[in-house]
Amino acid sequence: EAGVVQSPRYKIIEKKQPVAFWCNPISGHNTLYWYRQNLGQGPELLIRYENEEAVDDSQLPKDRFSAERLKGVDSTLKIQPAELGDSAVYLCASSLEGDNQPQHFGDGTRLSIL
Amino acid sequence: GEDVEQSLFLSVREGDSSVINCTYTDSSSTYLYWYKQEPGAGLQLLTYIFSNMDMKQDQRLTVLLNKKDKHLSLRIADTQTGDSAIYFCAERANTGGFKTIFGAGTRLFVKA
Repeated sequence: EAGVVQSPRYKIIEKKQPVAFWCNPISGHNTLYWYRQNLGQGPELLIRYENEEAVDDSQLPKDRFSAERLKGVDSTLKIQPAELGDSAVYLCASSLEGDNQPQHFGDGTRLSIL
Repeated sequence: GEDVEQSLFLSVREGDSSVINCTYTDSSSTYLYWYKQEPGAGLQLLTYIFSNMDMKQDQRLTVLLNKKDKHLSLRIADTQTGDSAIYFCAERANTGGFKTIFGAGTRLFVKA
């Protein structure tokens, strides 16, 4: 079974530039999560999708962050414009639907803002 | 609000047992998880326990849950150098729509 695939693995941009991350979840997983992991910290949820619907985006900074999951499979997370404080690892995870379903994580995109 | 706390570092000798501890605050937690993260990789689910259980054993891993004290531990028997990684405790809290809250992680060093 293929795992959660994210790209790119690394991204270096200058502040105020836009950036986008892509995630392909495990086949059949209806639930998709985007997390941000700052250095030395655990992941913090940005947004959770059930199929195409964003069911929890309360922690997404909506002034500069946006996400979409148009066909209920792949998802993109965008930052525009990026700020220095956005440097972090952005993790995507997916799970089957249901409260007891464990999340499976991709390897993340490490974003560095110059 | 929900909070999960872990000690930051643990160092053990190869072959010894490792015990990583975690405390959480949300008494409505349904599931508690242990994840492992190696450098440059995402989080790998190691094991999880339902809140009505006290213990779960899976090969070298033993999870103990003290729900009264909101304390969770992960014991790794016969620790190997390949176990060196960051271990995250996480709770699936009912508060706020079944959000998973992660601790900051415990970095395990295994000395040969």
